[in-house]
Amino acid sequence: EAGVVQSPRYKIIEKKQPVAFWCNPISGHNTLYWYLQNLGQGPELLIRYENEEAVDDSQLPKDRFSAERLKGVDSTLKIQPAELGDSAVYLCASSLETGYGYTFGSGTRLTVV
Amino acid sequence: KQEVTQIPAALSVPEGENLVLNCSFTDSAIYNLQWFRQDPGKGLTSLLLIQSSQREQTSGRLNASLDKSSGRSTLYIAASQPGDSATYLCAVIGGANNLFFGTGTRLTVIP
Repeated sequence: EAGVVQSPRYKIIEKKQPVAFWCNPISGHNTLYWYLQNLGQGPELLIRYENEEAVDDSQLPKDRFSAERLKGVDSTLKIQPAELGDSAVYLCASSLETGYGYTFGSGTRLTVV
Repeated sequence: KQEVTQIPAALSVPEGENLVLNCSFTDSAIYNLQWFRQDPGKGLTSLLLIQSSQREQTSGRLNASLDKSSGRSTLYIAASQPGDSATYLCAVIGGANNLFFGTGTRLTVIP
């Protein structure tokens, strides 16, 4: 079984430029999460999807961040425009349902210069 | 809001030693608790998942316990090896199916 796949693994962009991250969850996992991890910190939730519906986006900075999950499978997370403080690792995770645990992808390390 | 604390923040032990990592959480109304391992520059690898009705889970040299009433979990690593060096993250799964993470314990096993 393939795990959660994220791309790209690394991204370096100049501030004010747009950037997008892609996530393909484990087949059949209805719940998909995007997390942000700053250096030396635990991951923090940005957005959670149940199928194609964003059921918790309260921590997503909506002025510059957006996300979508078309057809309830793949998801993209976008930042426009990027700021220096957005440099971090962006992790995607999926879960079958509550109680079954979570599987994380390898993450995308974003550096904004 | 659920607060998760991990102690110690960093730990160095000689190879072969048994060790315990601690995790505490403020809201005992949790579904499950999951321990992860994170190597530098990598994503999270699941180690153990403890259901709220369980008290412990074991996998090889790892044993995780859960005491919901006191808001505590421990991860026990037996006979530590240099390959165990990584950051260990505790995450509790609360209402609304969200994960709340601690800041992790950075473990170094010295050969």
